Amino acid sequence: DSGVTQTPKHLITATGQRVTLRCSPRSGDLSVYWYQQSLDQGLQFLIQYYNGEERAKGNILERFSAQQFPDLHSELNLSSLELGDSALYFCASSGAPSLAFTDTQYFGPGTRLTVL
Amino acid sequence: AQSVTQLDSQVPVFEEAPVELRCNYSSSVSVYLFWYVQYPNQGLQLLLKYLSGSTLVKGINGFEAEFNKSQTSFHLRKPSVHISDTAEYFCAVTLSGGYNKLIFGAGTRLAVHP
Repeated sequence: DSGVTQTPKHLITATGQRVTLRCSPRSGDLSVYWYQQSLDQGLQFLIQYYNGEERAKGNILERFSAQQFPDLHSELNLSSLELGDSALYFCASSGAPSLAFTDTQYFGPGTRLTVL
Repeated sequence: AQSVTQLDSQVPVFEEAPVELRCNYSSSVSVYLFWYVQYPNQGLQLLLKYLSGSTLVKGINGFEAEFNKSQTSFHLRKPSVHISDTAEYFCAVTLSGGYNKLIFGAGTRLAVHP
């Protein structure tokens, strides 16, 4: 158990819909990273927040957005869903503001999104 | 632009044999390098990372990797594998301009047979 929790574990929805994925970081960790893992694109970095502020952005679509709340949990919002958005979405947390520190990044178990 | 190539999509090996999983990267600037493992139906776990200093990096579960700047490689090795090492292994590099954006390789599936 990494200490990072993600809800829900599974999500099945239809094209055009909107969903929210939730991530609670390990106690004390200020950074939250979001990743997408799909068969087509492999593992991709989406976005990172540190202590409530966006820190880095990767290949995140405009239909997707995220935020980190004062209690440090984070939500990833996916809207106007397409079949190609079906994937495993991971969040990870660490105490440091970047990967350049010796801090370890801990991953949650992921949310599997299926868009029908 | 940075990229990561994992040269083998699958590596079968017998238990207690040594293994090497190969990773090459392309970058014109300094990078940080990582290896992650993903067990079936689980999230990723950091095995080891190279930030600076000694080019031989020791990680968890008996794994180690060697950073070779001239060959732009970061191969992962274990002298004796166990059945429990069966998993997918990902090499990753940070993107220049911000040490927060990881670029992952396509992964190598290690299958350890008895």
